[in-house]
Amino acid sequence: SYVLTQPPSLSLAPGQTARITCAGYNIGSISVHWYQQKPGQAPVLVVHDNDGRPSGIPDRFAGSNSANTATLTISGVEAGDEADYYCQVWDSGSYHYVFGAGTKVTVL
Amino acid sequence: QVEVVESGGDLVKPGGSLRLSCATSGFTFNNYYMNWIRQTPGEGLEWVAFISATGSTIYYADSVKGRFIISRDDAQRSLYLQMDSLRGEDSAVYYCARQKDSGAYDAWGQGTLVIVSS
Repeated sequence: SYVLTQPPSLSLAPGQTARITCAGYNIGSISVHWYQQKPGQAPVLVVHDNDGRPSGIPDRFAGSNSANTATLTISGVEAGDEADYYCQVWDSGSYHYVFGAGTKVTVL
Repeated sequence: QVEVVESGGDLVKPGGSLRLSCATSGFTFNNYYMNWIRQTPGEGLEWVAFISATGSTIYYADSVKGRFIISRDDAQRSLYLQMDSLRGEDSAVYYCARQKDSGAYDAWGQGTLVIVSS
């Protein structure tokens, strides 16, 4: 089945830009969605369809997708952005929905 | 205001059964695809099952196929997951999630905890 690969962790200082990658074979040809999950809470959709932003999500969150890598970019990281981030796609080959393993973002 | 509330999680013995429920409000339930997604504490998200808006199309993760059944009752605005032949590896928080046409999950409940242990 389709595999999505994310870096396990990312640490950065407040104000820096976080770039969280999600690698998959020819992922640029499908829609990628991103979720933020804080400890003890349910996931929240932060980017849909590669670069769409749901209402209420700050424009500091942006998505892109090309070739074999999708990227969630968080500009001007804040302490409140500290969370796990997951990418997700629909694998039409297996009729399965697939999540990446998640990236833990720590704001130093 | 969109609300999704799961219930039914419990401690159950291996080989046992459990039925999870998901009550919804604030949106036209029968217009939406719905899913169950689970998460082992401290681990990542795992998609479990999908049901189309009409209930005519259903998909399962390989890990639960043949043991779990997803269903919906549009009159009750509710989603269900019947879980049989439960195993230790089924222990997790189970989330109910509303799905957009594109496949993104735009509304989640707070989850219900299932523990499979003797």
